[in-house]
Amino acid sequence: AQKITQTQPGMFVQEKEAVTLDCTYDTSDPSYGLFWYKQPSSGEMIFLIYQGSYDQQNATEGRYSLNFQKARKSANLVISASQLGDSAMYFCAMREAMDSNYQLIWGAGTKLIIKP
Amino acid sequence: EPEVTQTPSHQVTQMGQEVILRCVPISNHLYFYWYRQILGQKVEFLVSFYNNEISEKSEIFDDQFSVERPDGSNFTLKIRSTKLEDSAMYFCASSEAGAGSTGNTIYFGEGSWLTVV
Repeated sequence: AQKITQTQPGMFVQEKEAVTLDCTYDTSDPSYGLFWYKQPSSGEMIFLIYQGSYDQQNATEGRYSLNFQKARKSANLVISASQLGDSAMYFCAMREAMDSNYQLIWGAGTKLIIKP
Repeated sequence: EPEVTQTPSHQVTQMGQEVILRCVPISNHLYFYWYRQILGQKVEFLVSFYNNEISEKSEIFDDQFSVERPDGSNFTLKIRSTKLEDSAMYFCASSEAGAGSTGNTIYFGEGSWLTVV
């Protein structure tokens, strides 16, 4: 079964609009972390934001925020005021405490294209 | 800001040749990882390394693969006899710790493109 599901393979968004990228996850571990990474066309993997399962507040980092709904097991990434440079693949990933080696489990990614 | 560095950025190799991909993790990090991403596909876990030994490896990480930390800074991935299907972007990553919200972030290098011909 998929542990991380990103239902949007691709999205087109007008520049300056807000974007929400969906991510749902499946785990029985009460302690876990959720990550979002950006992968531009150059191929590198850039860490954007992290949310711990016990964190009371939704994580925010500049224009990025994470809409964490624990009961629904969703961790959507919100990008405010999108810019052309936000065009990239975006991956949601999870790390479970029960996995003693804390490897990341990845979603399939969402390709975001920002239109001028 | 500290970063994970990888070399080479791109390597083309003949099938059957040995390849070594090099990584310098962030200096105070204790956990090291290799992931790979075949073009257009999901990122796949290969191996994790802690305390100078492999902690976990995936089914992909067969006898053709090995990892080593030859000194205090480098972390290498060796592919003994490359196959066409080994063509992928290989990411090295490191994290400070395995638990705790501040130590959980895994930082990635820029990746090494491997093309096997």
